[in-house]
Amino acid sequence: DSGVTQTPKHLITATGQRVTLRCSPRSGDLSVYWYQQSLDQGLQFLIQYYNGEERAKGNILERFSAQQFPDLHSELNLSSLELGDSALYFCASSVAGAYGNEQFFGPGTRLTVL
Amino acid sequence: AQSVTQPDIHITVSEGASLELRCNYSYGATPYLFWYVQSPGQGLQLLLKYFSGDTLVQGIKGFEAEFKRSQSSFNLRKPSVHWSDAAEYFCAVGALYNNNDMRFGAGTRLTVKP
Repeated sequence: DSGVTQTPKHLITATGQRVTLRCSPRSGDLSVYWYQQSLDQGLQFLIQYYNGEERAKGNILERFSAQQFPDLHSELNLSSLELGDSALYFCASSVAGAYGNEQFFGPGTRLTVL
Repeated sequence: AQSVTQPDIHITVSEGASLELRCNYSYGATPYLFWYVQSPGQGLQLLLKYFSGDTLVQGIKGFEAEFKRSQSSFNLRKPSVHWSDAAEYFCAVGALYNNNDMRFGAGTRLTVKP
């Protein structure tokens, strides 16, 4: 158990819908990262937040957005969903936003878009 | 931007045999290198990491990796594989000045034969 929690575990929805994935980092970790894992794209970094502020952006679509709240939990919002958004979405956390800090991964949320 | 190549998509070894998983990276400066393991239905767990210093890095579960700058490689090794090592292994490279934007390889799936 990494100490990072993600809810829900599974999510099934329809195209065009909007969903919110939630992540609680390990106690004391200030940085949260979101990743998407799919069969065709592999594991891709989406976005990072550090202490409530966006720190780095990866291959995140404009239809996706994220935020980190004062209690440091984070939410990833996915809108206008398409079939290709079906994937495993991981959240990870680390102590600080600096490079080199180990990232602890949550168990993931499996999103299925029908 | 940095990138990682894991040339082997799938490797099968017999239990008790030695293992080497290959990883080649591309980055213009000193990389931060990681190996993660993902068991079925689980998140990613850090096996080991390299930042600087000794080029032979010891990790958990009896794994080690050697950083070879001249070959841009960071291969993962284990002298004797156990059935519980069957999983997917990901090599990742972090950028020094890019706020922990890690790029992951496509992964190598390890099957262990009894």
